[in-house]
Amino acid sequence: EIVLAQSPGTLSLSPGERATLSCRASQSVGSSYLAWYQQRLGQAPRLLISGASNRAPGIPDRFSGRGSGTEFTLTISRLEPEDFAVYYCQQYGSSAITFGQGTRLEIK
Amino acid sequence: QVQLVESGGGVVQPGGSLRLSCAASGFTFSSYGMHWVRQAPGKGLEWVAFIRRDGSDKYYADSVKGRFTISRDNSENTLYLQMNSLRVDDTAVFHCARSVSGDWNPLYRYFDSCGQGTLVTVSS
Repeated sequence: EIVLAQSPGTLSLSPGERATLSCRASQSVGSSYLAWYQQRLGQAPRLLISGASNRAPGIPDRFSGRGSGTEFTLTISRLEPEDFAVYYCQQYGSSAITFGQGTRLEIK
Repeated sequence: QVQLVESGGGVVQPGGSLRLSCAASGFTFSSYGMHWVRQAPGKGLEWVAFIRRDGSDKYYADSVKGRFTISRDNSENTLYLQMNSLRVDDTAVFHCARSVSGDWNPLYRYFDSCGQGTLVTVSS
């Protein structure tokens, strides 16, 4: 199965700052079959990005994704208070869908 | 809007069984594949199973294969997860999630809506 390693485990930033989250795959995620989800405390996961770089409907344009192969990045250009949450990457190109362990984005 | 409401969770002893349900509304249930995803307390997300829109194909994570069965009733807009031979490490919140398409096409195996989940606790 494809193992996804997210870094950092925790990111401490202030509102208005830029956040860069990383997701590294143990083998190539074919054709950028990679998604990003946001999970606020006590809530269900919410889709942000699919196909490595395509924002889901209703997602603000401060969220952007890029990458291919084994290296992917989620960037939040200017943090809003509601962005502080846990973020997961997910690969869905293989028949065993896997998630990264998550990055916790906390207020500094 | 899309609504997914899970039920059926509870406390069960190791080796026991439980059946989860997910009531879907706000969309044409029979047009979409559906997933179960779980999250152990304080841990990350783990994909559990997928079922095609018409129920003809099913896929499972290795950790649950042979113990869990996903099914659906399109006439009742309901998704199920039958869980047998439960283990302590199956303890988790189980979420149902709507796939973005009806089948197992790798382009569309992610999900765009997810329910709040139901807690399953396996403990003696």
